[in-house]
Amino acid sequence: KQEVTQIPAALSVPEGENLVLNCSFTDSAIYNLQWFRQDPGKGLTSLLLIQSSQREQTSGRLNASLDKSSGRSTLYIAASQPGDSATYLCAVTGDYKLSFGAGTTVTVRA
Amino acid sequence: SAVISQKPSRDICQRGTSLTIQCQVDSQVTMMFWYRQQPGQSLTLIATANQGSEATYESGFVIDKFPISRPNLTFSTLTVSNMSPEDSSIYLCSGGAGDNEQFFGPGTRLTVL
Repeated sequence: KQEVTQIPAALSVPEGENLVLNCSFTDSAIYNLQWFRQDPGKGLTSLLLIQSSQREQTSGRLNASLDKSSGRSTLYIAASQPGDSATYLCAVTGDYKLSFGAGTTVTVRA
Repeated sequence: SAVISQKPSRDICQRGTSLTIQCQVDSQVTMMFWYRQQPGQSLTLIATANQGSEATYESGFVIDKFPISRPNLTFSTLTVSNMSPEDSSIYLCSGGAGDNEQFFGPGTRLTVL
């Protein structure tokens, strides 16, 4: 069974600092990995999708890397802003189903 | 990308009653899924909604408690039956094309008294 772990569980940084969020998974037989953002009481917004054959994806201030062989992904958010405060979830797709980590709750202080 | 809407967005229900949640996608998707997110927890997959056939349930979830319909490639419903306070959660649907990007609805926040 796929296990997805996210470290740290919570993170608080001053505005402008770069964020580094980590995700690890136990079974490297994945189709892809997605990073999501969730605001309190809301649904999930897809941030980045990395296919299993890719090493990284970038969108604006966000960059996600994938090392499938070691079962790791890292999400970098450059020059953080208070609007980046949210919970970030990573999920891996295997057998057409998503397995989620518990998330990292980020607070960016103005 | 796909845009997914859910109804209702929230509800407060009495113990022992049932609630049906609707999920509508703005384009045809191969796969649709239903998740539960209990307070302070991550998402747990309830079932895969299969078009024209019975849903595929994950361990710990049964059809009598969570009947699901999927009459076409853009619509699905989840019913939470005979509710108890332990069913208070956010219920989310998602859609996508198998191993491609999954998109999520805004969720339905259910409180059972």
